[in-house]
Amino acid sequence: GDSVTQMEGPVTLSEEAFLTINCTYTATGYPSLFWYVQYPGEGLQLLLKATKADDKGSNKGFEATYRKETTSFHLEKGSVQVSDSAVYFCALSEGDTGRRALTFGSGTRLQVQP
Amino acid sequence: AAGVIQSPRHLIKEKRETATLKCYPIPRHDTVYWYQQGPGQDPQFLISFYEKMQSDKGSIPDRFSAQQFSDYHSELNMSSLELGDSALYFCASSARDGPSGNTIYFGEGSWLTVV
Repeated sequence: GDSVTQMEGPVTLSEEAFLTINCTYTATGYPSLFWYVQYPGEGLQLLLKATKADDKGSNKGFEATYRKETTSFHLEKGSVQVSDSAVYFCALSEGDTGRRALTFGSGTRLQVQP
Repeated sequence: AAGVIQSPRHLIKEKRETATLKCYPIPRHDTVYWYQQGPGQDPQFLISFYEKMQSDKGSIPDRFSAQQFSDYHSELNMSSLELGDSALYFCASSARDGPSGNTIYFGEGSWLTVV
């Protein structure tokens, strides 16, 4: 079955540091890939997505590139802020119908210190 | 822009009681999903509906049931509640077509505490 593997957290960085959160996946077909963010006490928010190989999703300074050859979708940001502190979930959805549920990774907690 | 609306936001129930959560998807979205997120856990898929019919089934307990109504809103019914059912329950919706196709949007969740 489908699965998503993320690097374990917490990841603790100083403000303005470079961020990488690794994500790799296993899927039988050609999934769409997503990053969701969950701020403390809040729901899941879509951060960015990519629907085919070599697509780059980007939003709020975050970006991730769909790498089919390495089955990866690593999240990066050049300069993190304290407000980026949250839990980040990598997820995939198979099928082109828009009706398939998401498979989530275990989440990576990011703590940014001033 | 309109988002997924869930109610109630917080709910406290005793063991063996019943709870109902409601979800109103984004307008013109045809698919609704329910997820359960335990403390410190990743969201686990429970069940989904497409055009008011059950589409996929995940790890939903037999004590739980759900349906989607003619106005596309959905309800998750949980009976014989157990302490382990305490979690954040997310509803999400998606549309097959259009610029947001294949993207699932989540509500803010309903916090259920079973005491």
